[in-house]
Amino acid sequence: GDSVTQMEGPVTLSEEAFLTINCTYTATGYPSLFWYVQYPGEGLQLLLKATKADDKGSNKGFEATYRKETTSFHLEKGSVQVSDSAVYFCALSDRLTGGGNKLTFGTGTQLKVEL
Amino acid sequence: KAGVTQTPRYLIKTRGQQVTLSCSPISGHRSVSWYQQTPGQGLQFLFEYFSETQRNKGNFPGRFSGRQFSNSRSEMNVSTLELGDSALYLCASSLQGASFTYGYTFGSGTRLTVV
Repeated sequence: GDSVTQMEGPVTLSEEAFLTINCTYTATGYPSLFWYVQYPGEGLQLLLKATKADDKGSNKGFEATYRKETTSFHLEKGSVQVSDSAVYFCALSDRLTGGGNKLTFGTGTQLKVEL
Repeated sequence: KAGVTQTPRYLIKTRGQQVTLSCSPISGHRSVSWYQQTPGQGLQFLFEYFSETQRNKGNFPGRFSGRQFSNSRSEMNVSTLELGDSALYLCASSLQGASFTYGYTFGSGTRLTVV
C-alpha cells in the first residue's frame, strides 16, 4: 500500500537558518503530494501542495518539488523564524477504487526554532 | 467564510461508554473525512462520506461508525470505548472531486480521553 517516510525529529534550528525536512513516498498510482503543519492544540493546516511530477508548491517562504524519479517531496525554507515552530506532516493523496481519496501521512517532524 | 467546525473540543469518557463527535464542513463542501491521531499510530484514516454515503473506510473495528446528513454535516460514533481510543479525532472537508488537487481543510479536532 501507499506509505510516506519522513525524517525523524525534533529538528532544532536557530532563527534565520536553512530548513530541510526530507520526505519520500511509495505509491502505486500517481498521487498528489502535500505538506501540512500542526501547531500545538490545533488541527492540520495545508502548507503547500503539488499534483504532478516537477510541480513546485510554495507558500509563506516554504517550498517543495515533486520529484517522481526519486519519489521525494522535501520541504525547504531559506530562513526560519521562531513562529515556524510546529509539527510538519508530509502526505500523499491517492484515488481510491470506491471513488474519493484518502490522505496517507508521514509520522511528522517537529521543528523547534530558537532565537 | 467559516472553516470546518468540530464539537466538542474536549471530551472525557469512561471505558465501555459510547461517544458521538460532530463535524460541520465548510459551506459547499460535500466530502467529509475523519482521521484519528495518536502518538503511537500517527494519523490514520477512519472513513470518508460523500452525499450521505460512506465511500471508503479505513482499517478500524466496527465499533467506529459514522454518518453524513443531507446538509453535509457528519457525525462519528465510537461504541464500547477502550483506553486505546483516546486520541485527537480530526474531521476534514473538501469540494467534490477537488480533494486530489486541493487537499482537505481540517478542523481543530476533538480531543477524546477515555478513562
